[in-house]
Amino acid sequence: DAEITQSPRHKITETGRQVTLACHQTWNHNNMFWYRQDLGHGLRLIHYSYGVQDTNKGEVSDGYSVSRSNTEDLPLTLESAASSQTSVYFCASSPTPGTSGKGSYNEQFFGPGTRLTVL
Amino acid sequence: ILNVEQSPQSLHVQEGDSTNFTCSFPSSNFYALHWYRWETAKSPEALFVMTLNGDEKKKGRISATLNTKEGYSYLYIKGSQPEDSATYLCACPYSGGGADGLTFGKGTHLIIQP
Repeated sequence: DAEITQSPRHKITETGRQVTLACHQTWNHNNMFWYRQDLGHGLRLIHYSYGVQDTNKGEVSDGYSVSRSNTEDLPLTLESAASSQTSVYFCASSPTPGTSGKGSYNEQFFGPGTRLTVL
Repeated sequence: ILNVEQSPQSLHVQEGDSTNFTCSFPSSNFYALHWYRWETAKSPEALFVMTLNGDEKKKGRISATLNTKEGYSYLYIKGSQPEDSATYLCACPYSGGGADGLTFGKGTHLIIQP
């Protein structure tokens, strides 16, 4: 069955270290997204991608980067981890926009999440 | 940044009762309104994606309505069951359309009491 996976599921790191969180989907969806979940804020968009070689900044992109070298993967990198980046990170994907061109019409499928602690 | 608001923040309902809660969003440049259900220790799962003013969608005991002119959507649960306990999120496209990521409300945390 097609799915979306994230790894690792839990990670503890130190301030200043570079960290990469993996996201892999087997639905062949063009659109992929990264969100973070924090108490009092709900889910907030970090970065998103419409396809290979395409990346876009979301609401809280500072300190994060993504790259899209193939359809299946959108790794999220924290260049220099900070304590403020302690959070639960969710990856999601959605199908290519239909003939209407409105991809936001399509539901997103979420991965299981990665809990990151920065000490 | 889009402002998506949900009320109430939390809700306790007796098993068997019906309930509803609200999502408010900017009515200008509307493209779509998403509803997700998020159970503890799981990932958000899509309930509905709504696009047309006056639209009503239904999945089992859960239904939703949409008013794009005034910028609100209601989610209804009929005959609440313990398994309905979850956080219900609504969301709109972050930058107004296309395949954009979503801006989420903070959710309504629903607890069904037996």
